[in-house]
Amino acid sequence: DAGVIQSPRHEVTEMGQEVTLRCKPISGHNSLFWYRQTMMRGLELLIYFNNNVPIDDSGMPEDRFSAKMPNASFSTLKIQPSEPRDSAVYFCASSSPLQGNTGELFFGEGSRLTVL
Amino acid sequence: AQSVTQLDSQVPVFEEAPVELRCNYSSSVSVYLFWYVQYPNQGLQLLLKYLSGSTLVESINGFEAEFNKSQTSFHLRKPSVHISDTAEYFCAVSDMNSGYSTLTFGKGTMLLVSP
Repeated sequence: DAGVIQSPRHEVTEMGQEVTLRCKPISGHNSLFWYRQTMMRGLELLIYFNNNVPIDDSGMPEDRFSAKMPNASFSTLKIQPSEPRDSAVYFCASSSPLQGNTGELFFGEGSRLTVL
Repeated sequence: AQSVTQLDSQVPVFEEAPVELRCNYSSSVSVYLFWYVQYPNQGLQLLLKYLSGSTLVESINGFEAEFNKSQTSFHLRKPSVHISDTAEYFCAVSDMNSGYSTLTFGKGTMLLVSP
């Protein structure tokens, strides 16, 4: 089975530019999560969706960040305008109702963002 | 709210030696416990989990972890490590009673296995 698919794997952009990160969850999974990983702060939950509905976006750093899930097989995380402090690895993860509410997640390989 | 503490940011060890990676958590409710492993330039992969039942859980590649409720710990152990075990290991917890469970991660422990 295909895992969680993220694109792009690497993105280098200049400050002020718009960045869009994409995620395709595992088919049949009904929850989707966006995490950010940095050396300083570790793994931070940004937002998560259940059945395409945003449940908790309290981890989104500020208004420059937005996330959407238009259907069960696609989600985007957008940063506009981007800043150097946004440089990080962004992970998408999904979970299945078969795991109940244990919280077990399946991660993509991440999108490494560098903002110059 | 939960929190996870991994006291060791880095653990160097020689091949075939035993290793223990420490994890302590704080929570006002019952939790599920997880260890994830991250190899270089890859995403996190589930290594093992404690949901209920036996407090000792094992992975397919020789790791084990024991849930100790009184000490609020979930330490990860392996009796003999391989070079290929070099990776970053994350301990995580989720709220057993929440309608929507999310994982709270520790900051990770880098396991460095040398020949």
